[in-house]
Amino acid sequence: SAVISQKPSRDICQRGTSLTIQCQVDSQVTMMFWYRQQPGQSLTLIATANQGSEATYESGFVIDKFPISRPNLTFSTLTVSNMSPEDSSIYLCSAGTGGFTEAFFGQGTRLTVV
Amino acid sequence: AQSVAQPEDQVNVAEGNPLTVKCTYSVSGNPYLFWYVQYPNRGLQFLLKYITGDNLVKGSYGFEAEFNKSQTSFHLKKPSALVSDSALYFCAVRDETSGTYKYIFGTGTRLKVLA
Repeated sequence: SAVISQKPSRDICQRGTSLTIQCQVDSQVTMMFWYRQQPGQSLTLIATANQGSEATYESGFVIDKFPISRPNLTFSTLTVSNMSPEDSSIYLCSAGTGGFTEAFFGQGTRLTVV
Repeated sequence: AQSVAQPEDQVNVAEGNPLTVKCTYSVSGNPYLFWYVQYPNRGLQFLLKYITGDNLVKGSYGFEAEFNKSQTSFHLKKPSALVSDSALYFCAVRDETSGTYKYIFGTGTRLKVLA
């Protein structure tokens, strides 16, 4: 199984600023994903981070607001740009290799925008 | 579109009793189904999966799930519930048609095991 480290674990940010969340996997993975979750609610996929190419965004999410990088097979970043209080949420990184294996999750980043 | 549904927001069960958390799916092609559990202020932990093979799948912490193709269901079960099983449970399907193999989650079911 893969171990995923996500940083920071939590942050309180001023509106209008940006925050970059880092996701490090302890082994090479094919797939990396970024999700958003309100506490106690379901997970909403923001985008799939593609190694060496632009991320694939889900409906309602755009690159200008959530730029994503994936420079190699073990690391990805998600930036939440020009934040507003509506961006307050838990952001989760996930990674997997497909096939018969499952995806694993980081511990999440709890973001509060004030 | 691939999707999963969890019809119950919350399930209450007495400690020692069997528990069932329901999940139904809608997919084109073969389903790749997963159960995850989330404890407060934690990420998701993998419990079990159905990819192929036996319809009864055994997973972590004594949980099991039964894949039923005719009913398009993948219910999570445990013979004897523990108070420590109280958590938020998510059913998920992996989208094999999108090219990104993304995971699509149900709305979650909160399990409360009463002492």
